Amino acid sequence: GDSVTQMEGPVTLSEEAFLTINCTYTATGYPSLFWYVQYPGEGLQLLLKATKADDKGSNKGFEATYRKETTSFHLEKGSVQVSDSAVYFCALSDLLRSNDYKLSFGAGTTVTVRA
Amino acid sequence: GAGVSQSPSNKVTEKGKDVELRCDPISGHTALYWYRQSLGQGLEFLIYFQGNSAPDKSGLPSDRFSAERTGGSVSTLTIQRTQQEDSAVYLCASSFLGGAGEQYFGPGTRLTVT
Repeated sequence: GDSVTQMEGPVTLSEEAFLTINCTYTATGYPSLFWYVQYPGEGLQLLLKATKADDKGSNKGFEATYRKETTSFHLEKGSVQVSDSAVYFCALSDLLRSNDYKLSFGAGTTVTVRA
Repeated sequence: GAGVSQSPSNKVTEKGKDVELRCDPISGHTALYWYRQSLGQGLEFLIYFQGNSAPDKSGLPSDRFSAERTGGSVSTLTIQRTQQEDSAVYLCASSFLGGAGEQYFGPGTRLTVT
């Protein structure tokens, strides 16, 4: 079945450091890929998405590129801030397989940015 | 406009009791999803509604779990005879049909079974 594997945390960084969170997926169809973020005490929010190979999603300084050849969707940010401290989830939906857009999530990566 | 709302935000119940969790999706969103977030299992899909019908119930963990949706809007997730392993945060999400199916999540209901 469809699955998402993301790097385990926790990840602790200093402000202005470079952040990468690795995400790889397994899917039978042509999935759409997402990064969701959960800030402390808040609900899940969509951070960015990509719907086809080579698409780049971007938002709030974060970027991720849909790489079909490596089945990856790694999240990057060049200079993190304390406000980026959150749990990040990689996810996919595979309409071809499931006939709906239900999301399969990775385990989540906790990121803490220190001032 | 208003986002997805869920109630209650917290629910503590005794083992063996029934509970009902409510989700109010974004107006106009025809698709509605329930997920569960727990320490041991991460984020798991439970059930999907399109309008009032549920074409995908594949994630419901047992027959103690059921859900309905009325008027193409509000949905209720019911857990009968709750067990301690049901303790989790139950998340509801909605989306409009089409596009990449990006989903908008509610704040969740934290269920604790004692």
